[in-house]
Amino acid sequence: NAGVTQTPKFQVLKTGQSMTLQCAQDMNHEYMSWYRQDPGMGLRLIHYSVGAGITDQGEVPNGYNVSRSTTEDFPLRLLSAAPSQTSVYFCASSYSGGAPETQYFGPGTRLLVL
Amino acid sequence: AQSVTQPDIHITVSEGASLELRCNYSYGATPYLFWYVQSPGQGLQLLLKYFSGDTLVQGIKGFEAEFKRSQSSFNLRKPSVHWSDAAEYFCAVVGDTGNQFYFGTGTSLTVIP
Repeated sequence: NAGVTQTPKFQVLKTGQSMTLQCAQDMNHEYMSWYRQDPGMGLRLIHYSVGAGITDQGEVPNGYNVSRSTTEDFPLRLLSAAPSQTSVYFCASSYSGGAPETQYFGPGTRLLVL
Repeated sequence: AQSVTQPDIHITVSEGASLELRCNYSYGATPYLFWYVQSPGQGLQLLLKYFSGDTLVQGIKGFEAEFKRSQSSFNLRKPSVHWSDAAEYFCAVVGDTGNQFYFGTGTSLTVIP
């Protein structure tokens, strides 16, 4: 199993550009999520999904869109990048049962918006 | 609302010394608690978790944590630190949905020889 994979590893954007951060998992996990990590602020939840076709907002959703057409993939879209979106982005996945499950994290995407 | 506080931003210990990283949580019901470690440039790796039962839980790499409901704490400990333990450590609590994690701001650990 590859686990959770993310592409690209590093990206530089200009303000106003759009891009999609890719996330895929091969563990058949129902739950997938996106976090951003900023110095001194830990990880903050952007969006999450409990299954194909179902998404919801987390703590900091503004400026980001998501969709979940398959169980395996959960892309994060930045429609018009802003310098405030410079961050490290992590995708995570887990089973979605009645009790909390361990989340498995990808290696991260480092994004710089100029 | 759920929240996690890690009061120590940065800790420095000598190799071979003991370690305790503090974590305090806020949650109305029985919490589900996790400790993750992040090595430089890497993703997060699970160290241990507490769901119920024995309040002292063992994890990987020789780490353990103790759940204390009266103090709303879930502190991480290791009896003897190795240079390879230098990393950032995150405590997390799971929210009402059962999947939404709330992370602390992290504690950065430096190990000196």
